Amino acid sequence: AQSVTQPDIHITVSEGASLELRCNYSYGATPYLFWYVQSPGQGLQLLLKYFSGDTLVQGIKGFEAEFKRSQSSFNLRKPSVHWSDAAEYFCAVGVSGNTGKLIFGQGTTLQVKP
Amino acid sequence: DTAVSQTPKYLVTQMGNDKSIKCEQNLGHDTMYWYKQDSKKFLKIMFSYNNKELIINETVPNRFSPKSPDKAHLNLHINSLELGDSAVYFCASSSGLLNTGELFFGEGSRLTVL
Repeated sequence: AQSVTQPDIHITVSEGASLELRCNYSYGATPYLFWYVQSPGQGLQLLLKYFSGDTLVQGIKGFEAEFKRSQSSFNLRKPSVHWSDAAEYFCAVGVSGNTGKLIFGQGTTLQVKP
Repeated sequence: DTAVSQTPKYLVTQMGNDKSIKCEQNLGHDTMYWYKQDSKKFLKIMFSYNNKELIINETVPNRFSPKSPDKAHLNLHINSLELGDSAVYFCASSSGLLNTGELFFGEGSRLTVL
């Protein structure tokens, strides 16, 4: 069965520091992978997605993620974190079968110290 | 104009009551979803509709009944509310089922059952 694991429930980084949020997935075929961000009291917004091709994908707000098939990982990175990046981050995998279904990880809460 | 709008944003009600949440999208999308986010922020799909046709019913109790009067609207009616129904319910839409994964979420409806 497909699943997504985000090993870090809570991460705190200083403003200006680099960030890496981890995501591991379990999926039989080539996965469709996504990162979403949820600001407090808001819905989720798509940061970036991977379908195929270049394994390093760029997203909005200066984020990027790298797909590593050998490690079943899709980690999210940002070189310099801003205070406004404090939010909940969700990794997700798309389920095949033309259902539009996404399976989400449990989320990582990012806190940014001034 | 809000792309995906849900009403109400907050619902507080007693056990045993019936309540509805409404969702509308003005993006011209064919597919709409209901996701449930529990107190641990875990997101799980409940239903999806494509062009008013039910595609996914994710073993949700039959107290939950979605209705899609047209492809721009997907409402959720919940009968005989239970304490465990307390959660944030997110409506989302996408342009199709083909695993684009680019879901547009509403801001959520926080349901509290007392």
